[in-house]
Amino acid sequence: AQKVTQAQTEISVVEKEDVTLDCVYETRDTTYYLFWYKQPPSGELVFLIRRNSFDEQNEISGRYSWNFQKSTSSFNFTITASQVVDSAVYFCALSPGGYQKVTFGTGTKLQVIP
Amino acid sequence: EADIYQTPRYLVIGTGKKITLECSQTMGHDKMYWYQQDPGMELHLIHYSYGVNSTEKGDLSSESTVSRIRTEHFPLTLESARPSHTSQYLCASSESDSHSPLHFGNGTRLTVT
Repeated sequence: AQKVTQAQTEISVVEKEDVTLDCVYETRDTTYYLFWYKQPPSGELVFLIRRNSFDEQNEISGRYSWNFQKSTSSFNFTITASQVVDSAVYFCALSPGGYQKVTFGTGTKLQVIP
Repeated sequence: EADIYQTPRYLVIGTGKKITLECSQTMGHDKMYWYQQDPGMELHLIHYSYGVNSTEKGDLSSESTVSRIRTEHFPLTLESARPSHTSQYLCASSESDSHSPLHFGNGTRLTVT
């Protein structure tokens, strides 16, 4: 069975602060993919990043960075110098090997206060 | 510009009515999905399809039904709406390659009174 845990239900930060969203996953598969999605107030989930289980390289994209650590089964997401537009619900997701069905975490609601 | 469209965006309807939530995509994706999102934000897969004439139930039991007669169209139907069906319904699609990211529509917020 697969499981994704996002222990932080809601986070509030002041604009320009850095914030890290935690994601811990469970799977017995050796091959799997991890994802992050953003859901702004408009409602549409937007794909941010995909990482496969064989690629532990951290990734940076502008103010966003992702830290993948297989040793701790974590795939954390950091926003540097947060902005009001970052306010959204962020979902971490897992797609195990051989399956297309995705397991989503329960989401973390981020509020960036001006 | 959205490549996956859901209509209506909002729907308020009385108990017992039959409703169909529309979902269309222009990307030629074989795989399509319906998720139900409760007020606590959690996403639940209720239906999916891997191609024309292929439909499967998801992880969360749902009284809704789906059809996939055309690649681009994946409507969801409730024969008799009840207040317990009040929720946000999200449609998504993905490429055939394993582990392709999901492309989501804007969702339909359904309220059954």
